[in-house]
Amino acid sequence: EVQLVESGGDLVQPGGSLRLSCAASGFTFSSMSWVRQAPGRGLEWVAAISGSAGNTYYADSVKGRFTIARDTSKNMLYLQMNGLRVEDTALYYCAKRSIAFDFWGQGTTVIVSS
Amino acid sequence: DIVMTQSPDSLAVSLGERATINCKSSQSVLYSSNNKNYLAWYQQKPGQPPKLLIYWASTRESGVPDRFSGSGSGTDFTLTISNLQAEDVAVYYCQQYYTTPYTFGQGTKLEIK
Repeated sequence: EVQLVESGGDLVQPGGSLRLSCAASGFTFSSMSWVRQAPGRGLEWVAAISGSAGNTYYADSVKGRFTIARDTSKNMLYLQMNGLRVEDTALYYCAKRSIAFDFWGQGTTVIVSS
Repeated sequence: DIVMTQSPDSLAVSLGERATINCKSSQSVLYSSNNKNYLAWYQQKPGQPPKLLIYWASTRESGVPDRFSGSGSGTDFTLTISNLQAEDVAVYYCQQYYTTPYTFGQGTKLEIK
């Protein structure tokens, strides 16, 4: 059974840092993404890491501040978030990509506020 | 970036009737080398993560009822829900996975009339 379990969300002050984790199980680690959803808003793709070479890709809104990484030996996906802004407040999902995003976790909440 | 625009933003349809949601991309998401449209549809119910319904614009994900169908090519796509059921109340998103950033439409909220 495929499972994705996110953790690490918290309340943080503007300018602060946070690391999100996503524990994956039930499949061979593949291309993965982080997608966020601000309260009452739509879906915004944040970052991706490819399954083979581990190439990384970012939305312009987070480029230079966020870093996606993985530990294939532990089946873990991470999102290091630095320089957090109020507009980064959202529910952050990790998603597995086969063709499209075919499985999503339940998400972890990040609140950036003073 | 490829901009995805859905219409309408919301719609109300009677039970048993058909719902149609449109999605337009600002540039083609048809990859000529394999003739596939890199377009997916997702359903999101309140308090739940999105669920993949359709990929390659018209291929239903395993387990998705056949009343959900996708069509279109290039820049114009449609999600059709036939014989609307109460459990289909949700927000629906289209997404292009042709190139990063993998952009989503703004969502269409479907309600029962």
